[in-house]
Amino acid sequence: KQEVTQIPAALSVPEGENLVLNCSFTDSAIYNLQWFRQDPGKGLTSLLLIQSSQREQTSGRLNASLDKSSGRSTLYIAASQPGDSATYLCAVSPSNDYKLSFGAGTTVTVRA
Amino acid sequence: GAVVSQHPSWVICKSGTSVKIECRSLDFQATTMFWYRQFPKQSLMLMATSNEGSKATYEQGVEKDKFLINHASLTLSTLTVTSAHPEDSSFYICSAPPPGTDTQYFGPGTRLTVL
Repeated sequence: KQEVTQIPAALSVPEGENLVLNCSFTDSAIYNLQWFRQDPGKGLTSLLLIQSSQREQTSGRLNASLDKSSGRSTLYIAASQPGDSATYLCAVSPSNDYKLSFGAGTTVTVRA
Repeated sequence: GAVVSQHPSWVICKSGTSVKIECRSLDFQATTMFWYRQFPKQSLMLMATSNEGSKATYEQGVEKDKFLINHASLTLSTLTVTSAHPEDSSFYICSAPPPGTDTQYFGPGTRLTVL
């Protein structure tokens, strides 16, 4: 069974600092990996999707890397802003059946 | 981007009653939708896969007779929590992938509180 772990569970940084969020998974046989953002009491917003054949994806201030062989992904958020405060979830899919295994998330607070 | 809606956004019910939650894909057709449950401070756990025109498939440990899923059309899936109990109180979220993509779009979630 796939286990997804996110470290740290919570992170508080001053505005402008770069964020580094880590995700590890136990089974390297994945189809893709996704990063989501969840605001309190809300649904999920897809941030980045990395296919198993890719090493990284970028969107604006966000960059996600994937090292499938070691079972790791890292989400970088450059020049953090208070609006980046949210919980960030990592999820992996073992095949193209869309089923996702989620980590517990990293809750980020960016202080103004 | 694609939009998935859920209704209601929150519901409070008495123990023993049944509650229906709707999940709709607003601008695309979804032959498959997914239902997740999230307890406070915990991760999302996949409950079941809703298949249009056929029976839902449930993850291990999820009672199919308690969580009834109906995928009535290509844009609507419903989850009915039958004979709800306080331990069913949770945040229920649905998702759907637009055809031809690997990205999933999630609904805003439904907060269920069973008294």
